[in-house]
Amino acid sequence: NAGVTQTPKFRVLKTGQSMTLLCAQDMNHEYMYWYRQDPGMGLRLIHYSVGEGTTAKGEVPDGYNVSRLKKQNFLLGLESAAPSQTSVYFCASKWRGGGANVLTFGAGSRLTVL
Amino acid sequence: EDQVTQSPEALRLQEGESSSLNCSYTVSGLRGLFWYRQDPGKGPEFLFTLYSAGEEKEKERLKATLTKKESFLHITAPKPEDSATYLCAVQVPLIKAAGNKLTFGGGTRVLVKP
Repeated sequence: NAGVTQTPKFRVLKTGQSMTLLCAQDMNHEYMYWYRQDPGMGLRLIHYSVGEGTTAKGEVPDGYNVSRLKKQNFLLGLESAAPSQTSVYFCASKWRGGGANVLTFGAGSRLTVL
Repeated sequence: EDQVTQSPEALRLQEGESSSLNCSYTVSGLRGLFWYRQDPGKGPEFLFTLYSAGEEKEKERLKATLTKKESFLHITAPKPEDSATYLCAVQVPLIKAAGNKLTFGGGTRVLVKP
């Protein structure tokens, strides 16, 4: 049971290049999220999805796009990378139901934009 | 605007030296307060959820408590393996969809020396 898998784990880009981060979960979770983590600023929500085919903006969506064509996958795209997007990106997912409603995180993708 | 503030930013402890981490919050519509542990190079791992003032949860050397304005994570007689960053997050409603999101604090880095 892999949980939440992110690829790639590391990537270096030049300013203006594009790339896509892939998040895959095998828990049949409806909700998926992309966060970025920067020193001293905690985790900030970029985009989220409440189901296949639906996405919405979080707190810091500028410069990013997302797609959720399949329930198990949530893609984060950077069309024209900027140095300000240097960060560690975390994908998370959870079940729609109530109770503890715990987020399960991936191991992160470290992106450096030169 | 929802805000979560953690203090201190960093904490150095001797093995066996008990201490407390603070998480203060200002949110609308709190639907739970979460504590996560994050090891270097890994994603956050769930520790506790607290829902109402006065509630307490324990796990090994960790104990979390909640009031109407803040939460504490008490570490009793810590060991070196308790070294990690501890993240506090509040669960609040999503604006554009049914369901919730987590808003995180900046974290407290804990180092326990033998």
